[in-house]
Amino acid sequence: EDQVTQSPEALRLQEGESSSLNCSYTVSGLRGLFWYRQDPGKGPEFLFTLYSAGEEKEKERLKATLTKKESFLHITAPKPEDSATYLCAVGGGTSYGKLTFGQGTILTVHP
Amino acid sequence: GAVVSQHPSRVICKSGTSVKIECRSLDFQATTMFWYRQFPKQSLMLMATSNEGSKATYEQGVEKDKFLINHASLTLSTLTVTSAHPEDSSFYICSVAGDFPSTDTQYFGPGTRLTVL
Repeated sequence: EDQVTQSPEALRLQEGESSSLNCSYTVSGLRGLFWYRQDPGKGPEFLFTLYSAGEEKEKERLKATLTKKESFLHITAPKPEDSATYLCAVGGGTSYGKLTFGQGTILTVHP
Repeated sequence: GAVVSQHPSRVICKSGTSVKIECRSLDFQATTMFWYRQFPKQSLMLMATSNEGSKATYEQGVEKDKFLINHASLTLSTLTVTSAHPEDSSFYICSVAGDFPSTDTQYFGPGTRLTVL
């Protein structure tokens, strides 16, 4: 069974204070690891897809990296508008098209 | 990517009534759509996979007779919650399996907040 664990559950940062979110996963045949951002009362917004260990993707202040067991979402010099829940999900080889989501990390950035 | 809409965004109904939620893929022909449910402070739980022109595939524990899914075209899937009860109150979100950067990437709608009184 595919499993995704995210840590920490909640993270409070000061504006400009860089940090990382962790996503540990177990999956039989990784088809992709996905990062989404979800604002309260809204659907998840796609950020990144990573496919193989060593791969990195960047978008503005966000950078996602992938190893064989975990992924990190690095946030550099965050701003208050980066406050959201960040969700990690994996697509496994035995369940084509389906995603298994982690519980998410609630990020709050204080000005 | 893909742009996905849902209607309605919020619905309040009485216990025992049925509610239909629409999910539309606005700029992409979606062979496959997914329906999720999200309870407060919890993550997304997949309810069913909807394939155009065929019966939906439900996840274990999801009642197919209670949550009716119809995927009649490449741009529209509907979820009908039949005989809704207060425990069905939740945030329902649909997604579309897009084609960028791969067909595994899902793009989500804005969600529908269902409250059953």
